Order: sequence, then C-alpha cells, then structure tokens
Amino acid sequence: EPEVTQTPSHQVTQMGQEVILRCVPISNHLYFYWYRQILGQKVEFLVSFYNNEISEKSEIFDDQFSVERPDGSNFTLKIRSTKLEDSAMYFCASSTGMDNQPQHFGDGTRLSIL
Amino acid sequence: DAKTTQPPSMDCAEGRAANLPCNHSTISGNEYVYWYRQIHSQGPQYIIHGLKNNETNEMASLIITEDRKSSTLILPHATLRDTAVYYCIVRVALNFGNEKLTFGTGTRLTIIP
Repeated sequence: EPEVTQTPSHQVTQMGQEVILRCVPISNHLYFYWYRQILGQKVEFLVSFYNNEISEKSEIFDDQFSVERPDGSNFTLKIRSTKLEDSAMYFCASSTGMDNQPQHFGDGTRLSIL
Repeated sequence: DAKTTQPPSMDCAEGRAANLPCNHSTISGNEYVYWYRQIHSQGPQYIIHGLKNNETNEMASLIITEDRKSSTLILPHATLRDTAVYYCIVRVALNFGNEKLTFGTGTRLTIIP
C-alpha cells in the first residue's frame, strides 16, 4: 500500500538555525498538509497546500515557517530560525481531495532544538 | 469547528470487541466523522469515516446514531497491537477539496492480555 514518507526521522538542530523537513506524499495525491505534535500534547494543524499555494494556515504557522513543493514528488517544511519551542514531532499528510477520501500521514520527523 | 468528546481512557480484554464512544452533538449536516489512531509516537493512522450510515471495513465498524450526535467505533476482536490513542474527528472542509483535521486528546485504549 502506498504511503507518505518523511525524512529525516530525527533532526537535531541548534537554536537559530534553519531546518528543512522533507516529505514524499502519495503519488496521486494533490493536497498536502503539515501537522505538529509537541511531546505529550495534541496533534495540531499547521498548513494545507494545493496547486502550489497555501490554502489554509493556523496561528502557529507564522513568518518563520514556509512550505514548498520544489519538484513533482517532494513537499517540504522550512523553519527559518528555530526556537526551543519548535521541538516537536512534525507530521506530513496527503489526500486526493476527492470523495471525502482521508488524509494519510507519514511517521513524522522528530525535531529537537538545542 | 464541531467539538468531539471522548473518554480519556478505556481497557479491553484481548479477543473481545472494543467499543469506543464519541459525542459530537454540534456536528453539521454535511460534516463527516473520521476516526484515526496513533500508536506510540507514530503518525496518525486512518481507520474509518462516515456521514450518517454505518460503515465497516477490514479494520473496524462505525456506528453513527440517527441524529448524528454520537458515534461508536468498534474493533471486533481486539489484539495487543490495537493498543493506541484513538481520535474521533469531525472534519472541517475548506475550499476546493482542502480540509483540516482538528485532533482532540482522544481515548487511550489499552488491550489487556
């Protein structure tokens, strides 16, 4: 069964550094999402992306965050200048957007900011 | 966003049916109920979804009350691998097929050997 893949599984970065989290969505999916989960807390929506544009973003997704689909397969989340509070699991998801088909999630990248 | 209410935790004996309830009394007529689970720190795994009819797939069954204010996820023969946090979500449809999932705290289901 096709799946969403995320790399790396664990990223350790110094505070203030830029980090890029990568995702390969399921190949025929057109809608892409990022969520995050701070340790012990809920899964939180960050952003949705379709047709090379952000469709919706949450309050968390401030100017330090950006998303990009640089080629036909990858979907990336960039954090420009990381803060300690950015430490979390980041999950990518994708969906067809058709017929109420569900979002499928990757297994996440654990981001640790030192 | 329609709010969901789930019990924080439940236990179920291995081999028995696990019945996980969810209240969503403010759900709108065209909003779907989705169930996901999260095993340890893995990504949320889709289980099943429905609008108003009961649904069944290879993983589970979903029973939605006639007034749509509540639903029950049924795992027919629970195994130890079903130990996870289960989320009941009323999906918010955005525009042009985009959507947003709002996760609550879910139900932590523990399967007892």
